[in-house]
Amino acid sequence: GQQLNQSPQSMFIQEGEDVSMNCTSSSIFNTWLWYKQEPGEGPVLLIALYKAGELTSNGRLTAQFGITRKDSFLNISASIPSDVGIYFCAGLGPYRDDKIIFGKGTRLHILP
Amino acid sequence: GAVVSQHPSRVICKSGTSVKIECRSLDFQATTMFWYRQFPKQSLMLMATSNEGSKATYEQGVEKDKFLINHASLTLSTLTVTSAHPEDSSFYICSASRLYPGQGVSDYGYTFGSGTRLTVV
Repeated sequence: GQQLNQSPQSMFIQEGEDVSMNCTSSSIFNTWLWYKQEPGEGPVLLIALYKAGELTSNGRLTAQFGITRKDSFLNISASIPSDVGIYFCAGLGPYRDDKIIFGKGTRLHILP
Repeated sequence: GAVVSQHPSRVICKSGTSVKIECRSLDFQATTMFWYRQFPKQSLMLMATSNEGSKATYEQGVEKDKFLINHASLTLSTLTVTSAHPEDSSFYICSASRLYPGQGVSDYGYTFGSGTRLTVV
C-alpha cells in the first residue's frame, strides 16, 4: 500500500534557526497536507497543497508540492519556542476511495 | 470555519464498561468522518471510515464489534468502545471531511477533533 517516508524523525535546533522537513512516497498524491500536533491535542492543519509545484506560505511556514507529486517539504523560518511539537505530513491519492496517509512525524525540539 | 468538536477530551473507565466518544462538525456538513487511534510517540492509525447514513468501513485488524461507529447525521459521528480493556487505552481522534462531488477534498482539507484520551483501569 501507499507509504510516506517523513524525515527527519526528530530535530534539535536553536531558537531562531530555520527548519526543513520532508516527505517522500513511492506513489503519487493529489493532495499534500502538513499538520502540527501538540501533546494531548489533535493535529492542526498548517498548510494544504493541491497542485504539483505549488508553493504555499502560512506566516513563517512554507510548503511545496513536489513536481513529481511524490514528495513535499515544509520549511519553518526563524523558529520560536512555540514551534515545538510534532509535524506530520499527510497525502491523499488520486482516486475517490483513497484515504489520507500519514507520515510518522517529525518531532521538533528547540534549545534555549 | 471547519471546526470539529470531540467530546469528551478525557475519560477514565473501568474494565468491562463501554465508552462513547462524540465527534461533531460545527460549521460544515461532514459527509465522511474518520476515526484514528494514536499510541504514544507514534503516528495516527486509521481505524475506520464512516459515511453518513451507511455502515462504517473498518481497517484490517480493527474489531467491528469492539469499536462501534455510528454516523447518523451529517454533523455527528460516535465511536463506542465496548467492553473496554486496559489495552484499549489510547488517544482517539476523529476527523471530518466535506467532499464536493467531482472536486475531491474540500478547501477545508481534513479537519481533526482535539482527541479523547481513554484510560481503562
